[in-house]
Amino acid sequence: KAGVTQTPRYLIKTRGQQVTLSCSPISGHRSVSWYQQTPGQGLQFLFEYFSETQRNKGNFPGRFSGRQFSNSRSEMNVSTLELGDSALYLCASSFTGGYTDTQYFGPGTRLTVL
Amino acid sequence: TQLLEQSPQFLSIQEGENLTVYCNSSSVFSSLQWYRQEPGEGPVLLVTVVTGGEVKKLKRLTFQFGDARKDSSLHITAAQPGDTGLYLCAGAPGNTGKLIFGQGTTLQVKP
Repeated sequence: KAGVTQTPRYLIKTRGQQVTLSCSPISGHRSVSWYQQTPGQGLQFLFEYFSETQRNKGNFPGRFSGRQFSNSRSEMNVSTLELGDSALYLCASSFTGGYTDTQYFGPGTRLTVL
Repeated sequence: TQLLEQSPQFLSIQEGENLTVYCNSSSVFSSLQWYRQEPGEGPVLLVTVVTGGEVKKLKRLTFQFGDARKDSSLHITAAQPGDTGLYLCAGAPGNTGKLIFGQGTTLQVKP
């Protein structure tokens, strides 16, 4: 079956702009989580959506937001971009999002903020 | 705040050598997971350890969960160039699906 897909794969923006990233989970998966990966901070949890509701949230400012649609596809938005937002943004899907449930990661979106 | 500390951060070895990567925390985890990530790709789950003292083997990789469920280790026997990658341990605090990750161990195996 098809894996998790993320679009776009690469993105270049300038400070102050906003960006929307998209994630299509594996068919049948209802939980989608987003992570930010940087060389300095590693992989950090942003938020998790399940059945169109945000269920968990990490320690990121309100500029980072997300949503999930009825088909489980998810988007995350970052407003007023800062240089420090340059990172690899990963999404992961699972059936239920429970801690014993395997999360499958997409290839990520590489965001560069100039 | 539950944190996972991995060591070493970088490891460069010759093909055929053995190595061990450690993942430690001061907190108890219900389970710990190990992932491998290759350049340009997302992390791929290798194993989940759930029971204290548990040992799992995946070909030349051996994973162990500490008795107190605060630490884990990954041992690779006779490393091969194909083992090169970023190894990450992760745990879910509070039995949620929210994963926290260690900083990762970058492994380079030279032929």
